[in-house]
This record gives sequence, C-alpha cells and structure tokens, in this order.
Amino acid sequence: EAGVTQFPSHSVIEKGQTVTLRCDPISGHDNLYWYRRVMGKEIKFLLHFVKESKQDESGMPNNRFLAERTGGTYSTLKVQPAELEDSGVYFCASSLAGTDTQYFGPGTRLTVL
Amino acid sequence: GENVEQHPSTLSVQEGDSAVIKCTYSDSASNYFPWYKQELGKRPQLIIDIRSNVGEKKDQQIAVTLNKTAKHFSLHITETQPEDSAVYFCAASKSSNTGKLIFGQGTTLQVKP
Repeated sequence: EAGVTQFPSHSVIEKGQTVTLRCDPISGHDNLYWYRRVMGKEIKFLLHFVKESKQDESGMPNNRFLAERTGGTYSTLKVQPAELEDSGVYFCASSLAGTDTQYFGPGTRLTVL
Repeated sequence: GENVEQHPSTLSVQEGDSAVIKCTYSDSASNYFPWYKQELGKRPQLIIDIRSNVGEKKDQQIAVTLNKTAKHFSLHITETQPEDSAVYFCAASKSSNTGKLIFGQGTTLQVKP
C-alpha cells in the first residue's frame, strides 16, 4: 500500500511569488492534516480536512494560505504571495475515520528567498 | 493555549546505553500521546503511542510511560544502536476532537558507536 505522498519535495521561490503544494493521502483515509516545521522548531498544526470539508483551520497563519481538498481525495496548499517567514517543511498526514494514528508524508521543503 | 514541552533538545549516548526523552503537556483533556521518529531526510514515523487509560506501554526496546496527574509522558529507549540516531517528537491530542497533534520541539538523539 502506498503511503502519503507529497509534491514537490523541494521548492525554491522568491518573495511575492505563488507556490502550490500537493498531498495525496493514503487511499481511503478521510482525515487529512497539514503541518509545518519552521527552522528546527516544533511541527505545528495548520489545518484538518474530513473528506472535502475543513474541520479545523485554526492553525493557518493568515489569509495568504489557502487549502483545498476538492472531491475529498488529494489536497493542495497554496501560498500567495509567499513571504520569507513561510520557509520551512510542510508535512501532510492522513488517518482513517475514527482512528488516531496519523501517517506522515515526506514533506515539502519550501525556501522563500 | 495547548502546548507540549520536550526535553532535552539534544541527547548523545554511547551504543548500548539507554536514552530517555521527557514531555509535558498543558491540556488536561489530551488523551492520545504518540511518538514519532524522523531520520534525516525521511518522513516522521510513528514508533509507539499511548492512551490516557494506560500508564505504560512497551514494544521491544522502546517503552512509554504516562503520568496523567503530572501531565508528563516519557520515551525510554534501551540498548541503543547507531540506527536509533534521529529526531524524536512527542505529541498530544484530544482524539474526541479534531485529532490535531500538538508536537514538542523535538529531541535530536545521537548514538555513538
């Protein structure tokens, strides 16, 4: 069974540009989470989807971040316009409905210059 | 707000020695406590978890203990090997809620051969 996949693995953009990150959860997982780790600090929660609905977006930093999960399968996280402080590793995780175990993707390392 | 403190931030041990990582959580409603291991360049992998109705859990060379009264939980790794070298993250969540994980800051464990 394929694990959680993320694309791209790395992205280097300039301040003010737009970047879109993609996450493909494990097939059948209704729960999809986005997290971010900035500069060696803790992994911080961004938001949670249940199928296509946003269940909790309390961790989204500001309105430059837009997450979608149309159709309840893969999800995208768009940053527009990107700022220097958005640099970090963005992780996606998924879990089965009604379970606690979250499976993480390999992350996307975003560098904003 | 919800917070998890993790100590130490770095830990260096000799092969064969034990390693202990400690975490403290702030939200008394937390009831699920996973530990993730992240090797360099790889995704965080769940290595063990514990729920609030259990005080201790073991899986081969690793064990986790939970003290609900003190809101402490710890990871114990015995007979460490060089391949145990990684960053270890503790986390806490309220599984009856959205299930978002609140992570500690991470511990970089180095096992010297």
